This record gives sequence, C-alpha cells and structure tokens, in this order.
Amino acid sequence: SYELTQPPSVSVSPGQTASITCSGDKLGDKYACWYQQKPGQSPVLVIYQDTRRPSGIPERFSGSNSGNTATLSISGTQPVDEADYYCQTWDRRTETVEFGGGTKLTVL
Amino acid sequence: QVTLRESGPALVKPTQTLTLTCTFSGFSLSTSGMCVSWIRQSPGKALEWLALIDRDDDKYYSTSLKTRLTISKDTSKNQVVLILTNMDPVDTATYYCARGAGVAQGAHFDYWGQGTLVTVSS
Repeated sequence: SYELTQPPSVSVSPGQTASITCSGDKLGDKYACWYQQKPGQSPVLVIYQDTRRPSGIPERFSGSNSGNTATLSISGTQPVDEADYYCQTWDRRTETVEFGGGTKLTVL
Repeated sequence: QVTLRESGPALVKPTQTLTLTCTFSGFSLSTSGMCVSWIRQSPGKALEWLALIDRDDDKYYSTSLKTRLTISKDTSKNQVVLILTNMDPVDTATYYCARGAGVAQGAHFDYWGQGTLVTVSS
C-alpha cells in the first residue's frame, strides 16, 4: 500500500511560520490535501489539490507539493492553530485514499 | 448548507456485523465529481480511510479491510451505508462520513459529519 509519513510533532512560537511535511513516493505526482483536527472535533479541510484553500480558511495557511514531499505552511502562527494536522492523497495505482500519521502542532 | 450525520449502534459485540448509515443534505450524490467516504479514528490514533462511493456507484475500499467492508448508496434517500463484518475490539473507533471530490480531483473531503463512536465489547 502507499504510505505517507509525517513528523509526530512540530513546535512553533507564536507569530512564526510552522512547516509540516508529508512524504511519500512521488507524492508530487498526486494531489495532496491537509486537514486540521482539534480535540473532540471532526477534521477540517485546510488545503486541497496541493495549494488551494477552501473558503473560510485563513490566508496564513498555504501548501506546496513537489518531488516526494508535500508541505503545509502556517505563517504568523496563532495559538488557535494548535491542533493535529493530517495529510491525505488518492493513490491511483492502489485505488485507495491514504492518510498520513498526523502531526501535533504545538504553539508555545 | 451541506450536512452529514452518522447513525448506528454505539455498542457491538465481537464477531457481530456493524451497519452504519450516513444521511446527508445540501448536495446530491448524482452530481458529477461527488463522492461520500467513511473514515474512522481509534481513540488517540490517526485517521484511517475505510471506503468511498461515487456518483457512478464505483466503490473503493481500504486494502487491509476490503474483505470485511461493503459500501452502498441510496441516492433517493440521500444515504450511504457502510457494513463492517466480524467486528473486533480493535475496531473500536469514531466513524465519520465525509463528502468528497471525486478521485480524479484528489478525493479531498470538504464536509464531515460529527462522527459516531462505536465500541466493540462483549
């Protein structure tokens, strides 16, 4: 099966830029998306098709995807951004949706 | 306004079959490029994709669970049903249904239900 790898945790100071990576074989050839999940809540889509932001998602969220790595960047990180973040893709070969293992973002 | 709601038993016994229903509104599964998926999350663990069904009734399943899963839809009732057989305590999780873009668009999920917690215990 196709695997996506994320760092378990990332820490960032308020106001700085947080970068969360997601690695997978030739991930850049696929669409990547990102979800934010806060405790006790359902996931929220923050980036889709590598770089696109759904309506209502702040501009400080951005994405990129090239080679084997997709990256979610949060500029001017705020305490409200503290959450778990998951990357996801569709693998055409296995015809499956794959999620990364999640990254806990701490803003301190 | 798009909404999805999961329903089903909160408690099942080992070896039993779980049937979950996703009832949605605000969109139609007959619309081009639309799909509905089931995703679960065991306590404290990552999201795990289970199954997806699209407007053409194409069905896709998790490789590791495909022998136990069945997904189906009733477009007239705006419902998608997931069946998971031979339940085990490791299947204890919150089960979500979500609306997604079709697989050609990357199958990202833009609306999620609130989730329903299913506990497997004798």
